[in-house]
Amino acid sequence: AQSVTQPDIHITVSEGASLELRCNYSYGATPYLFWYVQSPGQGLQLLLKYFSGDTLVQGIKGFEAEFKRSQSSFNLRKPSLHWSDAAEYFCAVGLDQTGANNLFFGTGTRLTVIP
Amino acid sequence: GAGVSQTPSNKVTEKGKYVELRCDPISGHTALYWYRQSLGQGPEFLIYFQGTGAADDSGLPNDRFFAVRPEGSVSTLKIQRTERGDSAVYLCASSPNRGRVNEQFFGPGTRLTVL
Repeated sequence: AQSVTQPDIHITVSEGASLELRCNYSYGATPYLFWYVQSPGQGLQLLLKYFSGDTLVQGIKGFEAEFKRSQSSFNLRKPSLHWSDAAEYFCAVGLDQTGANNLFFGTGTRLTVIP
Repeated sequence: GAGVSQTPSNKVTEKGKYVELRCDPISGHTALYWYRQSLGQGPEFLIYFQGTGAADDSGLPNDRFFAVRPEGSVSTLKIQRTERGDSAVYLCASSPNRGRVNEQFFGPGTRLTVL
């Protein structure tokens, strides 16, 4: 069965520092990969997605992620954090199967940014 | 343009009562999804509509949960005989899905509390 693992429940980083959030998935074929961000009281907002092609994808707000097939990973990165990046981050996997178009989410990583 | 909207934003009910949660998707999006997000967890899939029909309802936890989308736009999630364990944030998402995995646009959610 497919699954998504985000091993870090909570991360605290200083403003201006770099960030890497880990995501590993379990699936027999190449999945569709997503990172979403959720701020308190807000809906999930898509940061970036990987469907095929270049394994390094750029997203909004200066985020990027790299798909590594050999490691079944899709880690999210940002070179310099801003205080407004504090939020909950979710990695998700979509399966390309007819009739099964829902997303499977990890448990999320809560990011705290200290000034 | 308008995003996905959900009403009410908060719903408090008593155990055993019936509730309805509404989702208004982005205009023109044929696919609509319901997810449930419990505290400290990622969203979990409930049901997926393609047009008016439920293409996949495998995530509904039991027969107390039911959802409709009679005209292929607005959807209502219905929960009968609510239980305290139903307390969660219920998220709706829509997508210009044409039978394939695609980006999903999420609403702000309805926070359901069952006392």
